[in-house]
Amino acid sequence: AQKITQTQPGMFVQEKEAVTLDCTYDTSDPSYGLFWYKQPSSGEMIFLIYQGSYDQQNATEGRYSLNFQKARKSANLVISASQLGDSAMYFCAMRLASGGSYIPTFGRGTSLIVHP
Amino acid sequence: EPEVTQTPSHQVTQMGQEVILRCVPISNHLYFYWYRQILGQKVEFLVSFYNNEISEKSEIFDDQFSVERPDGSNFTLKIRSTKLEDSAMYFCASRGSQVRDEQFFGPGTRLTVL
Repeated sequence: AQKITQTQPGMFVQEKEAVTLDCTYDTSDPSYGLFWYKQPSSGEMIFLIYQGSYDQQNATEGRYSLNFQKARKSANLVISASQLGDSAMYFCAMRLASGGSYIPTFGRGTSLIVHP
Repeated sequence: EPEVTQTPSHQVTQMGQEVILRCVPISNHLYFYWYRQILGQKVEFLVSFYNNEISEKSEIFDDQFSVERPDGSNFTLKIRSTKLEDSAMYFCASRGSQVRDEQFFGPGTRLTVL
């Protein structure tokens, strides 16, 4: 069974600085996808970025990039130039791409607070 | 931009009562999901639905739960006899047909069981 670990319950960063949120995963399946979602205090889940296990390059979406290190089974989210509106919970998730199951497994989340 | 919608945003009910949570997925999506998130905890998968039937469900999704797509647009989650521990945020999500497609989440329904 797949497993997602987010070891940082909380992170603080100064506005305009970069921050890295850690995520490690465990699966024996070679084909999978990794996702990051943002959950502001209002509660909705906002998709940020996706990385496929066979993608050659690290995914980037605006200020978000995913530092994918396959051998280490890590998929850290890097937010560059943090903004106050980035303060939220961030969830890493993994979904197997084979075997017919498309159910993502979520980590426990990291709470990010951006200071002015 | 298309989005998943959910109603109501907050539902308060008495223990033992039935509740129906409603979702309107994105119109051309084929896969539909319900998740729950107990306050302060991670998101947990409940059930997935494809081609008018349940494709997968978790151990949380017991006989008290059911899902339905009564028409071409709505997707509902019914809890027959609510328990205190059913209090949580319930998210509906939908996705398209491609493996790479992310799931789009609705804004959630906060269920409070008294």
